[in-house]
Amino acid sequence: AQKITQTQPGMFVQEKEAVTLDCTYDTSDPSYGLFWYKQPSSGEMIFLIYQGSYDQQNATEGRYSLNFQKARKSANLVISASQLGDSAMYFCAMRGNGATNKLIFGTGTLLAVQP
Amino acid sequence: NAGVTQTPKFQVLKTGQSMTLQCAQDMNHEYMSWYRQDPGMGLRLIHYSVGAGITDQGEVPNGYNVSRSTTEDFPLRLLSAAPSQTSVYFCASREDTEAFFGQGTRLTVV
Repeated sequence: AQKITQTQPGMFVQEKEAVTLDCTYDTSDPSYGLFWYKQPSSGEMIFLIYQGSYDQQNATEGRYSLNFQKARKSANLVISASQLGDSAMYFCAMRGNGATNKLIFGTGTLLAVQP
Repeated sequence: NAGVTQTPKFQVLKTGQSMTLQCAQDMNHEYMSWYRQDPGMGLRLIHYSVGAGITDQGEVPNGYNVSRSTTEDFPLRLLSAAPSQTSVYFCASREDTEAFFGQGTRLTVV
């Protein structure tokens, strides 16, 4: 069965510093994908970054990068140079393949960026 | 939230009423899903579809029905609303490497 775990309910970071949001997953599927989403207080779900299980390099999108450690089954999101607008809830998600091709989510991490 | 239209944005129901949440996408995605979001529980999968005519249950399917007669549309039906179904509902449309969400529906059952 697939499972996504985010162990940090909340985090603080100073503006302009980098922050890492943890995500671990469990799957027996050799092919899978990992997603990160941002949910600001307005409620919409904003796609940030995607990592495929066979991708050779860690995914990056602007200030977002995904620290993918396949052997440890972790897919941590790194936000560089935090901005006040980064304050939001962040969700990690995973999809499997074939019969497990569902997109499931962790419980989220609430990030607060302090000036 | 490119290409996923979810309506309504807000809804109040009385216990026992039924209603349909609408979801439409214009990206020709095969996969569509419905989630509910409750405080501290993330997004939980209600039902999903891997293509027109094919649906399956997620983690919390009880009290909900879906159908997928076209690639574009994936409505969610509440058969007899209960206070436990008070939640925020999201529709999602995706392919393997991208997934987009509707704006969400805040449903209150009184």
